[in-house]
Amino acid sequence: DTGVSQNPRHKITKRGQNVTFRCDPISEHNRLYWYRQTLGQGPEFLTYFQNEAQLEKSRLLSDRFSAERPKGSFSTLEIQRTEQGDSAMYLCASSSGLWGTDTQYFGPGTRLTVL
Amino acid sequence: AQTVTQSQPEMSVQEAETVTLSCTYDTSESDYYLFWYKQPPSRQMILVIRQEAYKQQNATENRFSVNFQKAAKSFSLKISDSQLGDAAMYFCAYRTSFTGANSKLTFGKGITLSVRP
Repeated sequence: DTGVSQNPRHKITKRGQNVTFRCDPISEHNRLYWYRQTLGQGPEFLTYFQNEAQLEKSRLLSDRFSAERPKGSFSTLEIQRTEQGDSAMYLCASSSGLWGTDTQYFGPGTRLTVL
Repeated sequence: AQTVTQSQPEMSVQEAETVTLSCTYDTSESDYYLFWYKQPPSRQMILVIRQEAYKQQNATENRFSVNFQKAAKSFSLKISDSQLGDAAMYFCAYRTSFTGANSKLTFGKGITLSVRP
């Protein structure tokens, strides 16, 4: 069990470019979450997958954001036409979905800087 | 909607001493889970301790314990015998216990704990 991994760890991009982040959850975890954390704040929920189905999206997730989880394994988060306000740490977490023991395990995050 | 409030942005403790981090929350639900997560500088977030709201007994994990006051909607974390490695940002988080619901976490703003040698 290697834990949740995220790539890249850091991404610097220019405003208007598209970026894509990847999250590999703990194997056999069927729930996967994306959060966004800005400096000095707690993580805020973006979206949630159960297996390959995206079941909830936060209002924070504008139409420039899209997330996928093909085959219920890894997930990608894409931001199109990045803006400076998108600069943040993007965290991924996974859980087993076993109710009552549904602890979320976090990855190291991808830090996005939009110039 | 549920909210989590951590009103102390920073705290400091002497090594080997005890420190208490405060958290309050607001919810209309009667059953839920509360968590404390630790985020060391430039490292990933890890779970410190969790509390089920239906349990009256306060959770304990080695040097970490909570004081859960359901009526007051208060959930504080006590760290005993503080160590240099405890220096981190600590987040209080809430999760519903409704079966089938999105088990997303709602976080407070966090508190930065420094440990003085």
